[in-house]
Amino acid sequence: DTAVSQTPKYLVTQMGNDKSIKCEQNLGHDTMYWYKQDSKKFLKIMFSYNNKELIINETVPNRFSPKSPDKAHLNLHINSLELGDSAVYFCASSPWAGRNTIYFGEGSWLTVV
Amino acid sequence: DAKTTQPNSMESNEEEPVHLPCNHSTISGTDYIHWYRQLPSQGPEYVIHGLTSNVNNRMASLAIAEDRKSSTLILHRATLRDAAVYYCILRDDGGGTSYGKLTFGQGTILTVHP
Repeated sequence: DTAVSQTPKYLVTQMGNDKSIKCEQNLGHDTMYWYKQDSKKFLKIMFSYNNKELIINETVPNRFSPKSPDKAHLNLHINSLELGDSAVYFCASSPWAGRNTIYFGEGSWLTVV
Repeated sequence: DAKTTQPNSMESNEEEPVHLPCNHSTISGTDYIHWYRQLPSQGPEYVIHGLTSNVNNRMASLAIAEDRKSSTLILHRATLRDAAVYYCILRDDGGGTSYGKLTFGQGTILTVHP
């Protein structure tokens, strides 16, 4: 069983569309994250939730809205997609928001055309 | 989080040891040194971490300088599967201000030759 799973793995969509990426972890962890890796391969944190509560919200456009229906799920919804949103989005989780190993999913490749 | 400096790329031959250096001269007392790696087309994965003492696990060893201003990740026998980008990351685990987040730098691209 995949510990941190994301869907879809690949997504090609047009500018202006709204899309969601779903993430689920079966590790029983309290904390989940979204990271973005841009075309230059630079990995940057976007959001973090601990027990369904937002604890990290880096400087991200309001078009990006995370939603955590329960602590095993953290979905990323993106409104009005722009070309610059093309990237790989990684979901991750850790036992709690502190001194812990972070486990990453395999990534969701988003291409906006 | 304090900044780290790593070489952009390194090369190794299969079955040989690899020493990946990392400089972190501005490390604070509560910063732990973490190493993650990212295999091609995959998410990052944990390799090892430490605070002051050298650490060993099944994947690698971490040698930490006495003044903690540098560290070295050691892969004892490189395999083709070890070809990846290796990230050295400082995280304030002791001070509790990081909320667990990892701040990635550019990392070192390791190429392993057969």
